[in-house]
Amino acid sequence: DAMVIQNPRYQVTQFGKPVTLSCSQTLNHNVMYWYQQKSSQAPKLLFHYYDKDFNNEADTPDNFQSRRPNTSFCFLDIRSPGLGDAAMYLCATSRDQAYEQYFGPGTRLTVT
Amino acid sequence: GDSVTQMEGPVTLSEEAFLTINCTYTATGYPSLFWYVQYPGEGLQLLLKATKADDKGSNKGFEATYRKETTSFHLEKGSVQVSDSAVYFCALMWTGRRALTFGSGTRLQVQP
Repeated sequence: DAMVIQNPRYQVTQFGKPVTLSCSQTLNHNVMYWYQQKSSQAPKLLFHYYDKDFNNEADTPDNFQSRRPNTSFCFLDIRSPGLGDAAMYLCATSRDQAYEQYFGPGTRLTVT
Repeated sequence: GDSVTQMEGPVTLSEEAFLTINCTYTATGYPSLFWYVQYPGEGLQLLLKATKADDKGSNKGFEATYRKETTSFHLEKGSVQVSDSAVYFCALMWTGRRALTFGSGTRLQVQP
């Protein structure tokens, strides 16, 4: 089945130690998104790629970066994780001009 | 700016009870409206959507009608099951912006 895959499902990192989260998709969608969801809160969009065009949300901290080497893969890099960055990180995709976003299962990040 | 307001949870119901989860939005114009569901430990799944006023979205026994007069998109189900226990998110999106604005989510607990 076509799907959005996130690895790992659970990630533990140390305060200040760089970490990378991975997302891949078999839907061949040209738009990929990264959301941050803190406990009991709504998902918050960090940034998205429209093809290779990177779109950062105005309030996304500089500590968060992203890479999209090809259509199928997208990475979220946190350069120096703080305790406040502990959250569920959700990757989503959508087809150009379509409304539905398809979400992966998420990566739960713990910062110690 | 745009915003989505949902009723606070948790909502606790007995099996086969009627469900309503209120959702209202603030936006200039007529965005597309969505309900997403998040089961424990999983990512978000699109439950239903409506793209214009008076549209009714429906799926798995859930329904919601886009009411522009009251800027609302309330979620309803006639008879809930234990398996419906999850967090439900109302969201809006503008065509071309490709980003969802979520409400804070409503946790539904259905007891046998």
